[in-house]
Amino acid sequence: GAGVSQTPSNKVTEKGKYVELRCDPISGHTALYWYRQSLGQGPEFLIYFQGTGAADDSGLPNDRFFAVRPEGSVSTLKIQRTERGDSAVYLCASSYTGGELFFGEGSRLTVL
Amino acid sequence: AQSVTQLDSHVSVSEGTPVLLRCNYSSSYSPSLFWYVQHPNKGLQLLLKYTSAATLVKGINGFEAEFKKSETSFHLTKPSAHMSDAAEYFCVVSDPAGGSYIPTFGRGTSLIVHP
Repeated sequence: GAGVSQTPSNKVTEKGKYVELRCDPISGHTALYWYRQSLGQGPEFLIYFQGTGAADDSGLPNDRFFAVRPEGSVSTLKIQRTERGDSAVYLCASSYTGGELFFGEGSRLTVL
Repeated sequence: AQSVTQLDSHVSVSEGTPVLLRCNYSSSYSPSLFWYVQHPNKGLQLLLKYTSAATLVKGINGFEAEFKKSETSFHLTKPSAHMSDAAEYFCVVSDPAGGSYIPTFGRGTSLIVHP
């Protein structure tokens, strides 16, 4: 596809469950970002990949959050033991290094 | 460290009147600055960007912004608002210290356009 694709678009889960959110970036983009956006707030940085490696994971809130990008393309954000406070829209963006970010439409996570 | 402050959480204008959305930034180096727009239930879209070329930057849909280093500002303007401009607008700063490139978003300004 031409743009950044995120799946699922909506995910409802119960407190304590494990969830995975997937991001398929624009082909050829080496940089990939995850952000989290809560209602009425701006996107908050979580983690940044350059190729396969996490160049900066300083935004991950705690060790329940983890992300991978094993082949330098698709990335998965993994959340263990979900809590109600994890409910938000999770945004993925990709870019050439130093270039503008192209965003997907997000995955809305609701933890009941 | 970098940060961005959007001075208004909401801006309300009438259709056909000018738009001003204010943004101030803090950066240790020479920043790149961006404005993104987010329509309801849609992804973020780049409006315009400043990357140390011309200080007056023109973007899509008639928007423009002026980089003022002395005021550390990057305000977004449009001469005449259209109903379709109603959306959330985010000012973004990127400060490439140490080889990193982590864009930081402001809290957003909601633009309301009245008929």
